[in-house]
Amino acid sequence: DTGVSQDPRHKITKRGQNVTFRCDPISEHNRLYWYRQTLGQGPEFLTYFQNEAQLEKSRLLSDRFSAERPKGSFSTLEIQRTEQGDSAMYLCASVRGLAGAGNNEQFFGPGTRLTVL
Amino acid sequence: AQSVTQLGSHVSVSEGALVLLRCNYSSSVPPYLFWYVQYPNQGLQLLLKYTSAATLVKGINGFEAEFKKSETSFHLTKPSAHMSDAAEYFCAVSDTGRGSTLGRLYFGRGTQLTVWP
Repeated sequence: DTGVSQDPRHKITKRGQNVTFRCDPISEHNRLYWYRQTLGQGPEFLTYFQNEAQLEKSRLLSDRFSAERPKGSFSTLEIQRTEQGDSAMYLCASVRGLAGAGNNEQFFGPGTRLTVL
Repeated sequence: AQSVTQLGSHVSVSEGALVLLRCNYSSSVPPYLFWYVQYPNQGLQLLLKYTSAATLVKGINGFEAEFKKSETSFHLTKPSAHMSDAAEYFCAVSDTGRGSTLGRLYFGRGTQLTVWP
């Protein structure tokens, strides 16, 4: 399978715990996006990497959230001190193409569903 | 900022009937527009995209959409619904021009399509 993969697919945690999600993009894709999708809503942008550089962060990304993309390959999204409001589907997407080409198709992974009890 | 409005959170049609899912966007310049489909517990799959070429765009699975600048609309249609079309559909818009925000997607809230036998 050469698509975008995410791990784990499901995560149940207790409030206050830390969680980390991983995204493996398609290998030649240099751009990577994280989105969050809550029930009944469309995905909302969280952050964007071009290679290893994190170029943009949404205001949704509070200081409890941190994302990395070491060496411009896989990416991790960590949530510290989880709250019930963090329960959502976290989606990762990757894109091949030059920065400045907004029409490039984003390929989405299956998502990680987080439930905070 | 871009925004997308999907009219109707739920649409129900009979198998074989016309499918029409509505999407309006707000943008000062014609953006790039996308329709994605999401099946339960899966990521998003691109159906079609508009990138300022032809205003009538054909996608996968028999879907098509027409870009109408005067109406700021990008409605999705399919002449004859199939049971397998039952899913959630998201309209999305992307930035045009250059800059670090380029490529992030702004999604509508989604339309759940139900197909009755």
